[in-house]
Amino acid sequence: KNQVEQSPQSLIILEGKNCTLQCNYTVSPFSNLRWYKQDTGRGPVSLTIMTFSENTKSNGRYTATLDADTKQSSLHITASQLSDSASYICVVSEFGNKLVFGAGTILRVKS
Amino acid sequence: DADVTQTPRNRITKTGKRIMLECSQTKGHDRMYWYRQDPGLGLRLIYYSFDVKDINKGEISDGYSVSRQAQAKFSLSLESAIPNQTALYFCATSDPGRGGEQFFGPGTRLTVL
Repeated sequence: KNQVEQSPQSLIILEGKNCTLQCNYTVSPFSNLRWYKQDTGRGPVSLTIMTFSENTKSNGRYTATLDADTKQSSLHITASQLSDSASYICVVSEFGNKLVFGAGTILRVKS
Repeated sequence: DADVTQTPRNRITKTGKRIMLECSQTKGHDRMYWYRQDPGLGLRLIYYSFDVKDINKGEISDGYSVSRQAQAKFSLSLESAIPNQTALYFCATSDPGRGGEQFFGPGTRLTVL
């Protein structure tokens, strides 16, 4: 069964600190991997997308990595801000655009 | 989010009632989706539609039905609501030319008592 596992389930960090969120997947055949940010009370919004051949993709203070051989991805947040508090969801797309969603990592940034 | 709207945003209902959740989009996308989100679980696909004449079941369609009234409108119905349908419901749209990126509405929080 195609699955996406995220860790940790939740994380609390101090403002200004860095953090890394993990995503492991078993989805096959693989098309692409996205990280979404979901603020409380809002729908998810795409942060990055990576295809099989891409190892790293940045979007401001967010940097995603992908190791297609080990089927692992990470999302690194640099110099965290209070507005980074949200749920971060890893989503893997099969060919044909079927999506498999992870359960998300809840990040809380405190001052 | 403003391109995809959902009504109502919150709804409390009783077991056995029929409920309709509505979704409208101004993105011009042909593809629309309904998901539910439960604490500790990933979003799960209920139904999806690739155009006005196309309706497909997702992984958890039992107890739900949908109607695609127009390219811009996709409604989800709970024929006879039950408490385990209490969840956050999201509508989404996508353009196949954008690598499958889905654009989500703000969600409807449904509580079935």
